[in-house]
Amino acid sequence: DIQMTQSPSSLSASVGDRVTITCRASQGISSWLAWYQQKPEKAPKSLIYAASSLQSGVPSRFSGNGSGTDFTLTISSLQPEDFATYYCQQYNSYPLTFGPGTKVDIK
Amino acid sequence: EVQLVESGGGLIQPGGSLRLSCAASGVTVSSNYMSWVRQAPGKGLEWVSVIYSTGDTYYADSVKGRFTISRDNSKNTLYLQMNSLRAEDTAVYYCARGGSTVAPDYWGQGTLVTVSS
Repeated sequence: DIQMTQSPSSLSASVGDRVTITCRASQGISSWLAWYQQKPEKAPKSLIYAASSLQSGVPSRFSGNGSGTDFTLTISSLQPEDFATYYCQQYNSYPLTFGPGTKVDIK
Repeated sequence: EVQLVESGGGLIQPGGSLRLSCAASGVTVSSNYMSWVRQAPGKGLEWVSVIYSTGDTYYADSVKGRFTISRDNSKNTLYLQMNSLRAEDTAVYYCARGGSTVAPDYWGQGTLVTVSS
């Protein structure tokens, strides 16, 4: 199975900050990586697929990068509605696996 | 507008069975990758199962042999039959659609399954 790790596990940031979250796969997954945002007691929301393609309706301040084993999710200017937990997921091979999540909260 | 509405969750004793449903609108279940993803209380997301438009199915090792994913094309509904339930199956179960890839782009609101005596 492919193991996914994320760093940091949590971070505190201010509105307007640039935030970068890292996701690493235990083996190469090409660009078969997605990112999701989840707020407390809510369903996940899909942000990015294929490592860098934005889902429809997702603000352009979100961007994804990477291929192989190392990936990043960047929020260029953090907004109040962006405080949430972010998960990466590989879909290169089964079983599909998620990272443990990165919680972004208010400094 | 795509809507996925799960139902069928509840309290069930260990060893029991439950069937979850996901009624879809704005999307054709039989034409897409349809997945179940779960989240135990206070924990992260865990992929459970997927069914392809071809009918091919895949499962997490933790549920293989106990859970079955299926669909009813006439009702445009996805199902998850869960047998031999264990305490560790307690979670919110989300139905999700994959668009051009198996990675979900739309999610339902989730249904809670609690396995406890």
